[in-house]
Amino acid sequence: AQKVTQAQTEISVVEKEDVTLDCVYETRDTTYYLFWYKQPPSGELVFLIRRNSFDEQNEISGRYSWNFQKSTSSFNFTITASQVVDSAVYFCALSEGETGGFKTIFGAGTRLFVKA
Amino acid sequence: DAGVIQSPRHEVTEMGQEVTLRCKPISGHNSLFWYRQTMMRGLELLIYFNNNVPIDDSGMPEDRFSAKMPNASFSTLKIQPSEPRDSAVYFCASSSQTGSESYNEQFFGPGTRLTVL
Repeated sequence: AQKVTQAQTEISVVEKEDVTLDCVYETRDTTYYLFWYKQPPSGELVFLIRRNSFDEQNEISGRYSWNFQKSTSSFNFTITASQVVDSAVYFCALSEGETGGFKTIFGAGTRLFVKA
Repeated sequence: DAGVIQSPRHEVTEMGQEVTLRCKPISGHNSLFWYRQTMMRGLELLIYFNNNVPIDDSGMPEDRFSAKMPNASFSTLKIQPSEPRDSAVYFCASSSQTGSESYNEQFFGPGTRLTVL
């Protein structure tokens, strides 16, 4: 069965600090997708990144970077030089391949507070 | 594209009443998902459809909940009768499983905030 664990419930940082949000997943499929979504205080869910199981290359997008390591089943998310606007709940999600019908399971989320 | 459309955005009802939540997925998407979000339980997948067919409804909490997708552009989630513990934000999401750039990414609607008194 698939499972996503975000062990950090809440993180509080001061603006300009770097912060890493952890995500550990479990799956028996060899084909799967990992995602990060952001939910700001306004409530909508915003897609940030998708990574498939065959692509372990790390990705950087501006101040955001993602580290995918299959050996540890982790897909961690780092925000560099955090800003107040980064304050949100961040969800990691897993979608299994053909055997799972692309059912997506979300982690419990990590609430990030960035203080000015 | 208008994105995923949900209606109503807010619903306040009394216990025992029937509630119907509506969702219009993004045109061309062939998968649709219903989620419920509460403080206690986080984001829970209730049911999802592929090509209008329900694939997994194991997340539907009780028989009081039912979902339909009569065509590719419309889905409903119905609660009958509603109870106070059903109060939550209900999200609908759609995705494309046809190998585009947004393959398998779920696009979420704005959600329906349901309050059952």
